[in-house]
Amino acid sequence: GESVGLHLPTLSVQEGDNSIINCAYSNSASDYFIWYKQESGKGPQFIIDIRSNMDKRQGQRVTVLLNKTVKHLSLQIAATQPGDSAVYFCAENYGSGNTGKLIFGQGTTLQVKP
Amino acid sequence: GAGVSQSPSNKVTEKGKDVELRCDPISGHTALYWYRQSLGQGLEFLIYFQGNSAPDKSGLPSDRFSAERTGGSVSTLTIQRTQQEDSAVYLCASSLSRGTTEAFFGQGTRLTVV
Repeated sequence: GESVGLHLPTLSVQEGDNSIINCAYSNSASDYFIWYKQESGKGPQFIIDIRSNMDKRQGQRVTVLLNKTVKHLSLQIAATQPGDSAVYFCAENYGSGNTGKLIFGQGTTLQVKP
Repeated sequence: GAGVSQSPSNKVTEKGKDVELRCDPISGHTALYWYRQSLGQGLEFLIYFQGNSAPDKSGLPSDRFSAERTGGSVSTLTIQRTQQEDSAVYLCASSLSRGTTEAFFGQGTRLTVV
């Protein structure tokens, strides 16, 4: 069905450590993926995206890895800070190209311990 | 406006009443999405609009839910005969084009059916 699942519902890390949030997607035809961050009481905010013709993309302190063979997506956050505490969602362009729509996973809560 | 605007921010309604939720997308964005987020859950796709094309209504949970987008801009999500299970945060997002570009989210409307 139309689903994007996350492996872990909650991730707790120490401030300064690196965080890795994982995501499994279901549609092999999906060609675009996004990670969003949602803080309490706010709408999701864009973090980073990646297209299916890439396997890695880096941003500021964040890296997204895409493994199309096993339909797996991950978000790596370097030197995690207390401000990174939030729920993280992955989303896929389910259906590909301009026929697709963004489908979201359940989310992983990231807790950063000082 | 600078971002996606939703109103009201909070709505409490009695079971059986109809409600209308409004979304003002970012100017120039042709794609508009509605999602529903229950407490502690992911974003459930409801409906999206792309330009003048027929909307994708595949996510609407029942015929009590409907949405319109007038003039390719403002959208209204209507829930008729509300039920307690309709209680959730309703999020609107817009993007330059569907599926392949970043979607920008509003702050959401928190609907509580009592």
